[in-house]
Amino acid sequence: GESVGLHLPTLSVQEGDNSIINCAYSNSASDYFIWYKQESGKGPQFIIDIRSNMDKRQGQRVTVLLNKTVKHLSLQIAATQPGDSAVYFCADESETSGSRLTFGEGTQLTVNP
Amino acid sequence: DTAVSQTPKYLVTQMGNDKSIKCEQNLGHDTMYWYKQDSKKFLKIMFSYNNKELIINETVPNRFSPKSPDKAHLNLHINSLELGDSAVYFCASSPRSFGGTIYFGEGSWLTVV
Repeated sequence: GESVGLHLPTLSVQEGDNSIINCAYSNSASDYFIWYKQESGKGPQFIIDIRSNMDKRQGQRVTVLLNKTVKHLSLQIAATQPGDSAVYFCADESETSGSRLTFGEGTQLTVNP
Repeated sequence: DTAVSQTPKYLVTQMGNDKSIKCEQNLGHDTMYWYKQDSKKFLKIMFSYNNKELIINETVPNRFSPKSPDKAHLNLHINSLELGDSAVYFCASSPRSFGGTIYFGEGSWLTVV
């Protein structure tokens, strides 16, 4: 049947908790991965990236983990704050496909005070 | 000092009309893009230009015609608008066509009635 409205995966956490957002990608040739945050009414904003020669990268309150064996990417947000509420997208890219960044479906993160 | 700016932010128009969305980036990037985001938040690339040359043209109806007068501008013209064209269109840019962070504009909300 036809889908109506948003059907994003959702994650709801309490303020101060750690959040983990997961993403699966399908292209085993992908060698560059990015996480974006999109707040309501705005464009996607870069959070953190990682290349395929690494399996972990840390930023400020965020960590990206890459498991190439199972083609899985995760974003960990420490001490989640209400301002972290947004839709989070993973995206992957491979040199064979040039500049074609392929986005995942997005996860709606809601932080409860 | 907006990095990627696009106009208009909101556009409501009737079926059959022709409309344009303009985009400019002041980051000095070589590569620019148009992405479409549907009602389910799915982001899909439409076009990519590198130094004014078209490098990616996804299976987009030829009613959509991008124009890049110089590497800082990438405009999107849409002919004979249809109801299904209603979406958010994001302009973006990156320093190179592969492996560089893509920076998005704030989006243009197009509603065709």
